[in-house]
Amino acid sequence: GAGVSQSPSNKVTEKGKDVELRCDPISGHTALYWYRQSLGQGLEFLIYFQGNSAPDKSGLPSDRFSAERTGGSVSTLTIQRTQQEDSAVYLCASSSTSGNTIYFGEGSWLTVV
Amino acid sequence: QKEVEQNSGPLSVPEGAIASLNCTYSDRGSQSFFWYRQYSGKSPELIMFIYSNGDKEDGRFTAQLNKASQYVSLLIRDSQPSDSATYLCAVLRDSSYKLIFGSGTRLLVRP
Repeated sequence: GAGVSQSPSNKVTEKGKDVELRCDPISGHTALYWYRQSLGQGLEFLIYFQGNSAPDKSGLPSDRFSAERTGGSVSTLTIQRTQQEDSAVYLCASSSTSGNTIYFGEGSWLTVV
Repeated sequence: QKEVEQNSGPLSVPEGAIASLNCTYSDRGSQSFFWYRQYSGKSPELIMFIYSNGDKEDGRFTAQLNKASQYVSLLIRDSQPSDSATYLCAVLRDSSYKLIFGSGTRLLVRP
């Protein structure tokens, strides 16, 4: 597609449930990033993919968080046993080469009640 | 010390004035610097990037980089109310993929 596409755009879930957030990067972009932004805060780096591999997962907040990327394209961020502190907007971004100009999707707004 | 520091603001300027946004970074190995604009409830939008010391101009925007002093700034000339947003500074270290963001400066342009 023309831009980074994320779904769902909004998700309200009950505490303890699992959620999956999807990101479809710009066509041809090999690098894919996940960031988290809590209300009024800056962007927190979560994970980076180059192709299908994730050389750095150190930004994931806990072992309840995982991410995968298949076919060098679509990525899924999974949060297990959601907690209220997981409420935030989860932003996906992609770039043509690692660290080059990065373009963001519109984000997935997650609310855990 | 945060890797990328910005004054949270708000920075309030009258319409038509020059808005000056500043950012400092801690890692001397940083090589690439980016400015993003984020409207409330929206995702960040890339405005400019700069790699070399000095100034880089694009329309009403000028990015300034001083690696010796470890700061990067963004000037917005002829500020408009539509420029009111949060401006995020982001820094990329040499040979790294991780773009580190500051917490942003909120700019308010008064009509």
